[in-house]
Parts: sequence; C-alpha cells; structure tokens
Amino acid sequence: AQKITQTQPGMFVQEKEAVTLDCTYDTSDPSYGLFWYKQPSSGEMIFLIYQGSYDQQNATEGRYSLNFQKARKSANLVISASQLGDSAMYFCAMSRIQGAQKLVFGQGTRLTINP
Amino acid sequence: DSGVTQTPKHLITATGQRVTLRCSPRSGDLSVYWYQQSLDQGLQFLIQYYNGEERAKGNILERFSAQQFPDLHSELNLSSLELGDSALYFCASSVDFVGPPADSPLHFGNGTRLTVT
Repeated sequence: AQKITQTQPGMFVQEKEAVTLDCTYDTSDPSYGLFWYKQPSSGEMIFLIYQGSYDQQNATEGRYSLNFQKARKSANLVISASQLGDSAMYFCAMSRIQGAQKLVFGQGTRLTINP
Repeated sequence: DSGVTQTPKHLITATGQRVTLRCSPRSGDLSVYWYQQSLDQGLQFLIQYYNGEERAKGNILERFSAQQFPDLHSELNLSSLELGDSALYFCASSVDFVGPPADSPLHFGNGTRLTVT
C-alpha cells in the first residue's frame, strides 16, 4: 500500500520568501510517481509538478521545484519568491507509474503568504 | 480553467435520496476519474473509466456507481445517501490511460459540493 505523510498542517511565510512544504512517502512499488497539487479557497485542484521515481533530475516548473530524495523517501515542494496568490492548501500525492493514476493523497498543508 | 466541467456546483439533499453528478472531460481526454474529498477521509480515489469502460476501482461504496457515455462524459450516481456522504466530489480527466503521468497529468474539475441533511 502507498502512503503519503504531510506533517505541516499550516505554514506562514512572508511574501517573496522561499518556502518548503514537506512530504514523505511509503510504498513497496519499484516505480512510482509523485505529484503536488494546489487547492485555493475556491476549491479546484491545480496540478503543479510531477516527479518520476526513476528521474535522475529534480523536477522544476517555473517557481516550483520538487526536492526528491529517494533514500529518505521524501518529495518536498519548494516555492521560490512566494506571492500572495500562493496562499492555498497544497497536497502531495503518489501513484504507480503504469496504469491508472489512482492518486493517494496526503492530508495537505495550508500555506498562508503574509504581505 | 482546467477544461473539465462538473455540474452541479452545489447539491443539497436529504438522507436516503439519490443524486447524479455529471462530468465533461477536457476535449481529447479519454480517461475520467472520480475522487471524493471529505473532512475525515481526505481525498480518495473512487473509480476510473477509459473510453467507456471501467478500468480501476478504489474505495467506492456499493451505493455508488458510475458510467462513461459514448460522448465521454461521465456520471457518478450516489444512492441511499447518508450524512457521511457529504463531501466535495471531483472529476478529473487525462489524455491517455497507459501514458506516463508526466505526459498526461490529471486535470481536475472544480468539484460538486454535496451536502446531505
């Protein structure tokens, strides 16, 4: 079975600072994918970034980067130069690479950016 | 805008009733997924369809059923509703059933918020 743990229920950061959201995972699958989604107060789920377990380099998408440490089973999301619009719930998720994207989600971290 | 359309946005109904949630995937996407987000269970995968066929099942109750129609829209039917079924129900779509997630990440709709009273 797969499991995602997000240990930070809430985080408060000053605008323009970088922020790291923690995510650890557990799985017995040899290959897997790790995802981060953003859920603003309006409710929609927005895909941010993906990392495959066999990818050699950490994924980056604009201001988002995924700090993947396989030995530690961690997949932290780093947001550089935070903006007020980054305030939202952030979910880490994982799935097997092959087959259906049956995402297993963590409990989420509520990020608040202060001006 | 993800391109995934879910209707209705809000639904309020009584215990014991039956409701139908509708989802139109992004243009070109063949796979449709249903997820439930509740306060106590968090986000859970319910079921997946690909081009009209059920392909994967998660923690979906027997009182719940889904289908995907020839035009690729999908419906999630919830019956004999209980207070605990109150949740935000998401539909998500992707291009390819077997493609790697990097090439076809799930795009979620805005959800249907179901309140059972």
